[in-house]
Amino acid sequence: QKEVEQNSGPLSVPEGAIASLNCTYSDRGSQSFFWYRQYSGKSPELIMFIYSNGDKEDGRFTAQLNKASQYVSLLIRDSQPSDSATYLCAVNTEAGTALIFGKGTTLSVSS
Amino acid sequence: GAVVSQHPSRVICKSGTSVKIECRSLDFQATTMFWYRQFPKQSLMLMATSNEGSKATYEQGVEKDKFLINHASLTLSTLTVTSAHPEDSSFYICSAPTNMRDRGTEAFFGQGTRLTVV
Repeated sequence: QKEVEQNSGPLSVPEGAIASLNCTYSDRGSQSFFWYRQYSGKSPELIMFIYSNGDKEDGRFTAQLNKASQYVSLLIRDSQPSDSATYLCAVNTEAGTALIFGKGTTLSVSS
Repeated sequence: GAVVSQHPSRVICKSGTSVKIECRSLDFQATTMFWYRQFPKQSLMLMATSNEGSKATYEQGVEKDKFLINHASLTLSTLTVTSAHPEDSSFYICSAPTNMRDRGTEAFFGQGTRLTVV
């Protein structure tokens, strides 16, 4: 059974702080790793994707991947109240195949 | 980016009736689409893979006679929930992967359909 695990939270951080979201996955064959943001009642929207070990930065977001540890994380710098949402980690083993999602971590950024 | 349109966004139906949900890729062709279901505070769970011109592939535990999938064209997949019951109430989301230049293959999601069976 391929699994993606996330701490459900809630993770509460003050505005301007760094939010750190973590995810582990069970399938060593996983190739692609994604972070989605989902607001209540809405469809997920892609924040970041990462394929290679190391860090990938995009604006306030940094994704980190460690395939040896089967671990992927998302850092959000200068957190804003509008970042408050559920963050879903997803992986797949081959391009174009279905994503396997974690349950998501709820982030709350207080002003 | 690519657009996937899902309709309706919200539907309430009586127990025992059927509901059809449409998923369209608006600016690209999708030979494959994925249907997910999400219960409150739960993850998106893959229900089935819809393949244009052939039968859908269902995940274990998903009844293919209850959740009918038709992928009749390269831009349209439909999910019909037959003889719906209250336990089928959920958020249904479709997704279509496409190759994005410079970004590799990316999955685009429809807006989701909130189904409530009363």
